[in-house]
Amino acid sequence: GENVEQHPSTLSVQEGDSAVIKCTYSDSASNYFPWYKQELGKGPQLIIDIRSNVGEKKDQRIAVTLNKTAKHFSLHITETQPEDSAVYFCAASRNFGNEKLTFGTGTRLTIIP
Amino acid sequence: KAGVTQTPRYLIKTRGQQVTLSCSPISGHRSVSWYQQTPGQGLQFLFEYFSETQRNKGNFPGRFSGRQFSNSRSEMNVSTLELGDSALYLCASSLVNQRGNTEAFFGQGTRLTVV
Repeated sequence: GENVEQHPSTLSVQEGDSAVIKCTYSDSASNYFPWYKQELGKGPQLIIDIRSNVGEKKDQRIAVTLNKTAKHFSLHITETQPEDSAVYFCAASRNFGNEKLTFGTGTRLTIIP
Repeated sequence: KAGVTQTPRYLIKTRGQQVTLSCSPISGHRSVSWYQQTPGQGLQFLFEYFSETQRNKGNFPGRFSGRQFSNSRSEMNVSTLELGDSALYLCASSLVNQRGNTEAFFGQGTRLTVV
């Protein structure tokens, strides 16, 4: 089955700086890669996703890049703000959808004011 | 538009008991998936239902089961509870179009504690 590895497990960044979280996946048939943000006491919230027919996607301060050959994808957050502090999860699935997501182990991001 | 609603939010059960958790998806969403979240194992896929049929299943023992009703609401059941079943159980709903499922929206989860 699919295996998703995520690094780092914790990340502290000065407010205003950039944060990068990286994930690798094992199943070459995976073609959908969402990123979720989970705040304390809440369920995961989708912040951005990318499909395998695209190499990069950007939404304001958030961007995701995908390298299908190397089987890795990354989340980039620029101009970080205190409200970006949360746990971030990457995930992968087949069929361009969300039928069965395999999640990474999560990254606890702390923004230092 | 109401989000995914899970009830109850918190639950305490004794080993050996059984439990039923409920999930009401976003209106119009016909796919409902369940995940277990623990500090040690992270987020793990349990199963997915679409049109009252289990379409995908994760690697959990048969004590974990689920069902979906005609209105897309879903329940999951865990029988003969073990201490290790203590976790946050998350439900996610998705639209289904010609390309498959669209993005998954998660509920706030049910925190189950087994004592």
